Amino acid sequence: EAGVAQSPRYKIIEKRQSVAFWCNPISGHATLYWYQQILGQGPKLLIQFQNNGVVDDSQLPKDRFSAERLKGVDSTLKIQPAKLEDSAVYLCASSSTPDVRAGQFFGPGTRLTVL
Amino acid sequence: AQRVTQPEKLLSVFKGAPVELKCNYSYSGSPELFWYVQYSRQRLQLLLRHISRESIKGFTADLNKGETSFHLKKPFAQEEDSAMYYCALLTGGGNKLTFGTGTQLKVEL
Repeated sequence: EAGVAQSPRYKIIEKRQSVAFWCNPISGHATLYWYQQILGQGPKLLIQFQNNGVVDDSQLPKDRFSAERLKGVDSTLKIQPAKLEDSAVYLCASSSTPDVRAGQFFGPGTRLTVL
Repeated sequence: AQRVTQPEKLLSVFKGAPVELKCNYSYSGSPELFWYVQYSRQRLQLLLRHISRESIKGFTADLNKGETSFHLKKPFAQEEDSAMYYCALLTGGGNKLTFGTGTQLKVEL
């Protein structure tokens, strides 16, 4: 079974630029998560999708971050405009149900550096 | 508010020595806790969950509600145990994990 795919793996941009990340979950997984992991911290949930609907986006900075999962499969996370403090690894994860107890499968992450 | 604390950023032990990675939590509800692990150049993955009361790769963790702790233990460390370990607390009705800051375990020969 193929794992969660993310691209790009690395991205370097200047502050105030825009950036987008892509995630392809495990086939058949209806639940998709985006996490932000700042250096020295644990992953922090940004947004959770169930199919193409948002379940939880309470920690998403909506003034600059947006995410979509239009067809209930792939997802994109966008930052516009980026700030220095957005430098982090962005992790995508998927699961077969919204219940985390069933297990989440993580992608390799995208490392973003904002200069 | 929910909170997970892992007081050690780095824990270094010798091969064959016992390991204890500390995790304390703060949560007003009924806690469910997990340990996740990330080996070098690999993805973050679930190691174990307290509700299963399982032993994975020789690791165990017992939930102590009195001390609000969920420490990860292994009697004899192996070189392949070197990794980053995250403790996580389940909240939001079962669909949200709050992670600690992680502990880097280094097993030396």
